[in-house]
Amino acid sequence: KQEVTQIPAALSVPEGENLVLNCSFTDSAIYNLQWFRQDPGKGLTSLLLIQSSQREQTSGRLNASLDKSSGRSTLYIAASQPGDSATYLCAVRRAGGTSYGKLTFGQGTILTVHP
Amino acid sequence: NAGVTQTPKFRVLKTGQSMTLLCAQDMNHEYMYWYRQDPGMGLRLIHYSVGEGTTAKGEVPDGYNVSRLKKQNFLLGLESAAPSQTSVYFCASTPPDRAYGYTFGSGTRLTVV
Repeated sequence: KQEVTQIPAALSVPEGENLVLNCSFTDSAIYNLQWFRQDPGKGLTSLLLIQSSQREQTSGRLNASLDKSSGRSTLYIAASQPGDSATYLCAVRRAGGTSYGKLTFGQGTILTVHP
Repeated sequence: NAGVTQTPKFRVLKTGQSMTLLCAQDMNHEYMYWYRQDPGMGLRLIHYSVGEGTTAKGEVPDGYNVSRLKKQNFLLGLESAAPSQTSVYFCASTPPDRAYGYTFGSGTRLTVV
């Protein structure tokens, strides 16, 4: 059974710091990994999607890497801002003909960036 | 382009009442999902559908029923609500093509008293 773990569970940093969020998964049979952002009381917003054949994806100040063989992904946020405060979730899309696109989610990292 | 729309956004039910949550997507996605999100439990899959007229059980299907009569709509029903079903419910969709990720709705916050 696929299990996804995110470390740390919570992180508080001063504005301007570069930071790394970690995601690990137990089964390397995945099609892709997606990072989401969730603001309090809101839905999930997709940040980055990395295919299993890719090593990294970048969008603005965000960079996500994937090491499928070791079951790890990191989300790097450069020059953090108070507006980056949110919960960050990673999810892996299971491989296999009967997976039907189902995702397994981590528990999330609660990020607080203080001025 | 609205993406995934969920109605209602908030609802309070009494124990034993029934209700239907509606999810509508305008991206022509084949796959649709219902998740619930609870503190400390993360997101858990309730039911899913791989196309019009199909439904399947996820991890926590008990107490819920679903229907997908039209490709763009996926309905989640609670026949007899229980306090344990107090949660935030999210609908999501994706194409079968693994090159694409999920699109989520904004959620329905349901309280059962």
